[in-house]
Amino acid sequence: GQNIDQPTEMTATEGAIVQINCTYQTSGFNGLFWYQQHAGEAPTFLSYNVLDGLEEKGRFSSFLSRSKGYSYLLLKELQMKDSASYLCAVRPLGNQGGKLIFGQGTELSVKP
Amino acid sequence: GAVVSQHPSRVICKSGTSVKIECRSLDFQATTMFWYRQFPKQSLMLMATSNEGSKATYEQGVEKDKFLINHASLTLSTLTVTSAHPEDSSFYICSARDIGIEQYFGPGTRLTVT
Repeated sequence: GQNIDQPTEMTATEGAIVQINCTYQTSGFNGLFWYQQHAGEAPTFLSYNVLDGLEEKGRFSSFLSRSKGYSYLLLKELQMKDSASYLCAVRPLGNQGGKLIFGQGTELSVKP
Repeated sequence: GAVVSQHPSRVICKSGTSVKIECRSLDFQATTMFWYRQFPKQSLMLMATSNEGSKATYEQGVEKDKFLINHASLTLSTLTVTSAHPEDSSFYICSARDIGIEQYFGPGTRLTVT
């Protein structure tokens, strides 16, 4: 079966650093994505990891350990606009058109 | 960047009627389109995978006769919710993928069934 776990909610302070964890158990693995979603809007792409290690993109970084079935999204220099839901999604192996299985999302609240 | 549109953005319909939602890739050809449903405070649940010119592949538990998907061209897929009921009220989001790895999401359609 497919199982992707993330914390439901997190709170952090403006200017700080926050790490959002994601663990997964899926039928094969062909990449992990992080998306940001503001309420009532479509998700927007943040990062993609398929090999172990850290991918850095500005204030956002994402890490993957395939042997541990674990990823995290690191947000630095938090801004109020970073308050949103962060979705971890895994692409399973197989010819399934590249479909994604999403975790339940982590609602991040950034406070002044 | 790649843009995906959805129409309508909001729709209210009466119980028992059918509603059609369109998903278009505006500046690229989508080899595959996906339809998701999202209930409040929950994540995206994949409903089906749609390839142009072929039948959609539905996820377990999704009724294919209730949620009709047509992928008529490389830029258009439609989802028709037939005989809608209040429990079908949800946020429906489509995404489209070209030959790359990324999925581009539409802005979503808020369906309310009264």
